[in-house]
Amino acid sequence: GAGVSQTPSNKVTEKGKYVELRCDPISGHTALYWYRQSLGQGPEFLIYFQGTGAADDSGLPNDRFFAVRPEGSVSTLKIQRTERGDSAVYLCASSLGNYNSPLHFGNGTRLTVT
Amino acid sequence: AQTVTQSQPEMSVQEAETVTLSCTYDTSESNYYLFWYKQPPSRQMILVIRQEAYKQQNATENRFSVNFQKAAKSFSLKISDSQLGDTAMYFCALGSEKLVFGKGMKLTVNP
Repeated sequence: GAGVSQTPSNKVTEKGKYVELRCDPISGHTALYWYRQSLGQGPEFLIYFQGTGAADDSGLPNDRFFAVRPEGSVSTLKIQRTERGDSAVYLCASSLGNYNSPLHFGNGTRLTVT
Repeated sequence: AQTVTQSQPEMSVQEAETVTLSCTYDTSESNYYLFWYKQPPSRQMILVIRQEAYKQQNATENRFSVNFQKAAKSFSLKISDSQLGDTAMYFCALGSEKLVFGKGMKLTVNP
């Protein structure tokens, strides 16, 4: 079946601009996660949704970052006033939402802020 | 705070040989999962194997097995009969919903 889909695959934007990154989880997966992977590093947790609500947003670095999942399926990560330090690969994952359910990752969006 | 350390940044191995990737971690949780993920150039994180901390038996998945030493907080991955397709970044991770990842290790399998 279809896996986790992230669009766009690559995004180049200018410093100060607003960007939206989209994630389509696997059908039926109630949990959705966003991670950020900087060059040469492992992924870092940003936010986790269970259904429509953010169950844990402790990883969002500051108030320029915001994520929504209004219907409990597709999620959008929004970054305002982008900075060069926001350049990274943004990974989305989904799972069935049970304690032992494995995460299924998408191919990520590579964001470059010039 | 939970931490994951992968001290080997890079390794190479000949095809068909066995290689072991090391990982140490720290957590105050009593039950948790440990994972090894593979990340090829496509960027997708692919789950290789996972281990639940309360299970003493080491997990195995075909050519992949782990050596889980709970007291030492060590979780190494052994890849047997290495294949060219195993070439990738490998990440060790700890947690359940909110995973903490190590910095990764680049594995190259040479023909």
